[in-house]
Amino acid sequence: DGGITQSPKYLFRKEGQNVTLSCEQNLNHDAMYWYRQDPGQGLRLIYYSQIVNDFQKGDIAEGYSVSREKKESFPLTVTSAQKNPTAFYLCASSISSAYNEQFFGPGTRLTVL
Amino acid sequence: QKEVEQNSGPLSVPEGAIASLNCTYSDRGSQSFFWYRQYSGKSPELIMSIYSNGDKEDGRFTAQLNKASQYVSLLIRDSQPSDSATYLCAATNFGNEKLTFGTGTRLTIIP
Repeated sequence: DGGITQSPKYLFRKEGQNVTLSCEQNLNHDAMYWYRQDPGQGLRLIYYSQIVNDFQKGDIAEGYSVSREKKESFPLTVTSAQKNPTAFYLCASSISSAYNEQFFGPGTRLTVL
Repeated sequence: QKEVEQNSGPLSVPEGAIASLNCTYSDRGSQSFFWYRQYSGKSPELIMSIYSNGDKEDGRFTAQLNKASQYVSLLIRDSQPSDSATYLCAATNFGNEKLTFGTGTRLTIIP
């Protein structure tokens, strides 16, 4: 099966902890993205990567970090510096950033206790 | 600030009728437009892409693009209860690595 997987589906974090959300794709897509979705709001871009070993900040990158060591993987770390991390986190990929049909993984719902 | 605007709804449509969802965008340079369907608690699913002025049909879905008026619409014919979801509109310039999303329109199909 080709697709995008995210894990875990649900994640609970205590304040002050860093957590890492996994995103893997086997679609051979070059570009990968991380979004955050809050209730009643649109998708906001956190980070994106067009090629391996390169990534750019999106609109709300503060308090987050990413890496892109492999084409298939684009993990997102939510650090303790992120003040309001409770949200639905969505990973997406596209063939390339020039053809921007983005396909989404199932998402990770993060709750800070 | 590039914006994509959608009426948040809820939009209620009787089963079997045509549901019409609208989206306007502020960036005249936008060239690619996308409609996503998002069920409650799930991730968005791409249902239509449109790049040229006019209509594009795929099954019960028709996307319409009018670049002069800067709007995109999605028509759903023969609406079914399973079409009840939030529909997100997104736009980008060709070669721009970022999509701009609207906040979505919540659609409810009434049996």
